[in-house]
Amino acid sequence: GESVGLHLPTLSVQEGDNSIINCAYSNSASDYFIWYKQESGKGPQFIIDIRSNMDKRQGQRVTVLLNKTVKHLSLQIAATQPGDSAVYFCAESGAHAGNMLTFGGGTRLMVKP
Amino acid sequence: NAGVTQTPKFQVLKTGQSMTLQCAQDMNHNSMYWYRQDPGMGLRLIYYSASEGTTDKGEVPNGYNVSRLNKREFSLRLESAAPSQTSVYFCASSAGTGGAGFIYEQYFGPGTRLTVT
Repeated sequence: GESVGLHLPTLSVQEGDNSIINCAYSNSASDYFIWYKQESGKGPQFIIDIRSNMDKRQGQRVTVLLNKTVKHLSLQIAATQPGDSAVYFCAESGAHAGNMLTFGGGTRLMVKP
Repeated sequence: NAGVTQTPKFQVLKTGQSMTLQCAQDMNHNSMYWYRQDPGMGLRLIYYSASEGTTDKGEVPNGYNVSRLNKREFSLRLESAAPSQTSVYFCASSAGTGGAGFIYEQYFGPGTRLTVT
């Protein structure tokens, strides 16, 4: 999730496999984390969020894991589908930031049929 | 229920020209935001409006002004466009900016792709 300038890290997976997208956040005071999906030419779309009093949260086909010790967040997508191809962003927030979101640089997920 | 709408979708400006990007939401949200997204980058907050009648600077406010026209509408103005402002601009809204540890999800519009030559 760190900014990488013009070149997004890319994860390429086979359709049907599980995907894991990682994000390292910067501020140990952050207590709210959110994953967004952005398809080409569209705005970011909410996927799932988690608060710092939890270390795991599950949604439909997605799971977010939070490791506060190493300031690491991951998004797991089960049975990845072609429609999951997009750029995924993590964002962090907390009172230290006035509850504003700070976005990471994004990871491109490519699903091969 | 359209969510967050933005106009225009595309715009090309010459250096020094001015323009206003429009944003409207129909979710009765209190808070609205303007972000910019440069190629291969995450979103950076330009300005936000926690509630009708208030606006505050975000991470990258220089070269921009905003107006919270009413609860629904939040516009972003470039007074004198520069090539460094070439970017995709996203408007977002949320029920509030949060407080006491509660943070609201933000909903994004489709974006305005701006090129300054």
